[in-house]
Amino acid sequence: GAVVSQHPSWVICKSGTSVKIECRSLDFQATTMFWYRQFPKQSLMLMATSNEGSKATYEQGVEKDKFLINHASLTLSTLTVTSAHPEDSSFYICSAAGTGGMNTEAFFGQGTRLTVV
Amino acid sequence: RKEVEQDPGPFNVPEGATVAFNCTYSNSASQSFFWYRQDCRKEPKLLMSVYSSGNEDGRFTAQLNRASQYISLLIRDSKLSDSATYLCVVNRYGNKLVFGAGTILRVKS
Repeated sequence: GAVVSQHPSWVICKSGTSVKIECRSLDFQATTMFWYRQFPKQSLMLMATSNEGSKATYEQGVEKDKFLINHASLTLSTLTVTSAHPEDSSFYICSAAGTGGMNTEAFFGQGTRLTVV
Repeated sequence: RKEVEQDPGPFNVPEGATVAFNCTYSNSASQSFFWYRQDCRKEPKLLMSVYSSGNEDGRFTAQLNRASQYISLLIRDSKLSDSATYLCVVNRYGNKLVFGAGTILRVKS
């Protein structure tokens, strides 16, 4: 199956700093990628939809100025958590869909575990 | 009400047991449905799609009832390696996946 690579797999940063997470589709072109966040013992929650060459669309309650998304190419989307705070500590995960329509499997990156201290 | 609801469990079962998970979804316009498996601190992995006619993959059987907006997963002959969190997932539109909170399965020897 298709491969989505996410980097870094874990990061610890100080409060107030910014963290960039990369999501790459390695063997297919992804015009759309999705960013999710998962807090402990909770479900994955969609944060935003990343569209190649255009602005991301954010889910209700997600601050677009805090979570900057850039999808500059068909194989790379980045999520930058700006001025991170301890409450931003979470598991961030990206996904990209194949091209088979509504029943297409979504391929996930390995996830990034962010800890803000 | 959550868009996708699951019993969080945990379901503690012995090896060889048959276990069933249920899921309901609220958006009647949902187009496609999946079960994903998530191991601790890992990304979700597709277990199987769910079709209206029901489908089976080895020890796993999935059912969809659109009228009741209900999805199920049946696991037969449980293995220790089946221990994981099982996520009921609905494709809302445009490949936007909505995840249930997951059902924890623990298979014990």
